[in-house]
Amino acid sequence: DTGVSQDPRHKITKRGQNVTFRCDPISEHNRLYWYRQTLGQGPEFLTYFQNEAQLEKSRLLSDRFSAERPKGSFSTLEIQRTEQGDSAMYLCASSLGWASGPQETQYFGPGTRLLVL
Amino acid sequence: AQSVAQPEDQVNVAEGNPLTVKCTYSVSGNPYLFWYVQYPNRGLQFLLKYITGDNLVKGSYGFEAEFNKSQTSFHLKKPSALVSDSALYFCAVRDKKDSNYQLIWGAGTKLIIKP
Repeated sequence: DTGVSQDPRHKITKRGQNVTFRCDPISEHNRLYWYRQTLGQGPEFLTYFQNEAQLEKSRLLSDRFSAERPKGSFSTLEIQRTEQGDSAMYLCASSLGWASGPQETQYFGPGTRLLVL
Repeated sequence: AQSVAQPEDQVNVAEGNPLTVKCTYSVSGNPYLFWYVQYPNRGLQFLLKYITGDNLVKGSYGFEAEFNKSQTSFHLKKPSALVSDSALYFCAVRDKKDSNYQLIWGAGTKLIIKP
């Protein structure tokens, strides 16, 4: 399978613990996005990388959230001191973008479902 | 501010009948428009997009969507629904003038196709 992969698919943790999610984008894609999706809602943008550079962060991304893409390939999203309100599906997407503009298609992974008890 | 509205939380259609899932948008400039489908406990799958040109866009699984600039709409359609089309459908927009690459998403419409 050459699509976007995410690991783990499910995570249950206790409030206050730290969690880390991994996303492996489609191999030639230079852009990578993280979204959060809660039940009955569309995805909410969290952050975006072009290669290894984190170019944009949403106000939703509090200080407890950090994302990296160290070599411009896979990315990790870490949530420190988790809260019950962090329970959601965390989606990763990748795209092949060029200077021509933001018309590229984002391809999504299966998501990581987080439950904070 | 950019926004997307999907006015129907749920659409029910009998198998074999045509289906329409509605989407309206608001952007300051010209839009890029996208439709995605989400099956239970799965990520989002790309269906189709409007960039420019022909207002009728054809996509995956027999779906199509019509861009209507005057009505700021981008409704998703299929001539003959299948039970397997039952899923959650999301419309998304990006302003061509926007320097960032965020997609703005609708809340989704649950499509139920009854045999």
